[in-house]
Amino acid sequence: QKEVEQNSGPLSVPEGAIASLNCTYSDRGSQSFFWYRQYSGKSPELIMFIYSNGDKEDGRFTAQLNKASQYVSLLIRDSQPSDSATYLCAVTPHNNAGNMLTFGGGTRLMVKP
Amino acid sequence: KAGVTQTPRYLIKTRGQQVTLSCSPISGHRSVSWYQQTPGQGLQFLFEYFSETQRNKGNFPGRFSGRQFSNSRSEMNVSTLELGDSALYLCASSPEPGHHHEQYFGPGTRLTVT
Repeated sequence: QKEVEQNSGPLSVPEGAIASLNCTYSDRGSQSFFWYRQYSGKSPELIMFIYSNGDKEDGRFTAQLNKASQYVSLLIRDSQPSDSATYLCAVTPHNNAGNMLTFGGGTRLMVKP
Repeated sequence: KAGVTQTPRYLIKTRGQQVTLSCSPISGHRSVSWYQQTPGQGLQFLFEYFSETQRNKGNFPGRFSGRQFSNSRSEMNVSTLELGDSALYLCASSPEPGHHHEQYFGPGTRLTVT
């Protein structure tokens, strides 16, 4: 079992819809959770981070964290074709004070006009 | 402020050779991490350097090594290249360890081993 699991997709949504991306992790000691967006041929770009249970909103993006269920999600409201990319979930390993992140395999999102 | 720069951007090597990749962090950033990205394994952590010291190491063979210089620039080296080492090698910098939310990736070096 991989430490961070994501559905590889592609997840296809129509323009204007809500895209829901999910991620589960196995390390109960993980404290910090991140969502990166990676366009084809480009490097990952941090779009959201969340440390506490609950929701965190930033513009059209909402990150949701449930540590009891070891589950993180990213909601993208009013999806745009420019949101089409691979979304990577990343978590910090237990007891790691450095910058090491464990990444999921990514979910490819396609937003159709 | 200039972003993270990596050189070279593309590289083709032959199996058995060795390669050195370079990463210059954002000005003022002193922590540098390296990742390998492949279609099959995804993005995997290689190692992290801070103050010229390796702080963390991922699960890669000893053929993969790195170092950091006093100006925070970092290099990674892969010896005795194998076909499976073909990947995108990404460097990320942050001000200090633990500052994940301020960690930025460079454009990567695409290594092809033939």
